[in-house]
Amino acid sequence: KNEVEQSPQNLTAQEGEFITINCSYSVGISALHWLQQHPGGGIVSLFMLSSGKKKHGRLIATINIQEKHSSLHITASHPRDSAVYICAVRFRGGADGLTFGKGTHLIIQP
Amino acid sequence: IAGITQAPTSQILAAGRRMTLRCTQDMRHNAMYWYRQDLGLGLRLIHYSNTAGTTGKGEVPDGYSVSRANTDDFPLTLASAVPSQTSVYFCASSEQAGTSSYNEQFFGPGTRLTVL
Repeated sequence: KNEVEQSPQNLTAQEGEFITINCSYSVGISALHWLQQHPGGGIVSLFMLSSGKKKHGRLIATINIQEKHSSLHITASHPRDSAVYICAVRFRGGADGLTFGKGTHLIIQP
Repeated sequence: IAGITQAPTSQILAAGRRMTLRCTQDMRHNAMYWYRQDLGLGLRLIHYSNTAGTTGKGEVPDGYSVSRANTDDFPLTLASAVPSQTSVYFCASSEQAGTSSYNEQFFGPGTRLTVL
């Protein structure tokens, strides 16, 4: 079965800390997405990547296709970064649409 | 309208009733998707449509049907609702389907459905 695993499930950190969330997947993909979901439920796309690294503000996403692994980093974390971060992939040869990890619940304390 | 809208925002429904969740996008995206989000299970694909006139089944299609009569609208119908369909439903769209580089997905605000 095509699966997406995220770690950690829950993460509490202090403001200013460097945050890393990991995602691994079972078989080849055509794209990987990082999504953010705030309390209240709205889902926002942060990154879509198929190789290398992307950066947007304090957020950095990397992917290693050979190792089937991606990381999302947050530098100088802030309480407003508190949210659920979700990794999702488009598996090659599978149905269109995304397969999701279960999410990482991040809390940044002031 | 800007982006994707869903209606209703929330609904409480008696088991056995028919219900249609509406989804409309104004971005002229070809591909549209329906997902459900359940605690402990995350988001799962119900049905998708790569372009107007075509639909496909996702991971959890049983009990749901969809249609794609035009580019903008992608309604999801529960023919006879059951309590296990209690969930938050998200509609999403992307410019293209498949391996195109234009497949960032944009999500609607969600519909919270409770089936009693």
